[in-house]
Amino acid sequence: QSALTQPASVSGSPGQSITISCTGTTSDIGNYKYVSWYQKYPGKAPKLMIYDVSDRPSGVSDRFSGSKSGNTASLIISGLQPEDEADYYCSSYTTTDSRIFGEGTKLTVL
Amino acid sequence: QVQLQESGPGLVKPSETLSLTCTVSGDYIGTYNWAWMRQPAGRGLEWIGRIHASGSSNNSPSLKSRVTLSIEPSNNQFFLRLTSVTAADTAVYYCAREGAGRSADSWGQGTLVIVSS
Repeated sequence: QSALTQPASVSGSPGQSITISCTGTTSDIGNYKYVSWYQKYPGKAPKLMIYDVSDRPSGVSDRFSGSKSGNTASLIISGLQPEDEADYYCSSYTTTDSRIFGEGTKLTVL
Repeated sequence: QVQLQESGPGLVKPSETLSLTCTVSGDYIGTYNWAWMRQPAGRGLEWIGRIHASGSSNNSPSLKSRVTLSIEPSNNQFFLRLTSVTAADTAVYYCAREGAGRSADSWGQGTLVIVSS
């Protein structure tokens, strides 16, 4: 079971919007709404940012949003801020009742 | 607010068994599924498996034969055993709670396990 496909890196300037894609298959993203996104700083635990494709946990900024089309999910960050610079991982439930993560995307705020 | 804390040896010899404990506070372990993940240095996150208080569990297909998950609701703890470890199992290991949408909504701080003789 291969990891979900994410771009290795994305970048944007403060105030801009960026999109991170996450491509899977009909065995995971394409078959379920159970797609989540995590923010991870080096040496820190991951933080849940989006669940069920587009829902935000309490306390997460509404600058973070999510969507899905077919086998590809997307994380959109609007109004980029310096503190958004981190690694981002997507994750999906799968047909084998397991979970799979993406390879991770490093976001650089220029 | 739920808190999770991993504990266990930081150094394991090749071919031996890695054993970790996750202690949960601020929530009753019987309510949710609980999961283990890991991240090797410089690489992405990997899901290891999940367990419910009932004892039902499921593991990653790639690790299935080497992983055993167990749970002790009376102590609010759950456990990971990974047998026949190699250097490739060196990673930071995280425990987490599975909440809405089967997402990992609360995580432990992680514990580094090095496999080396």
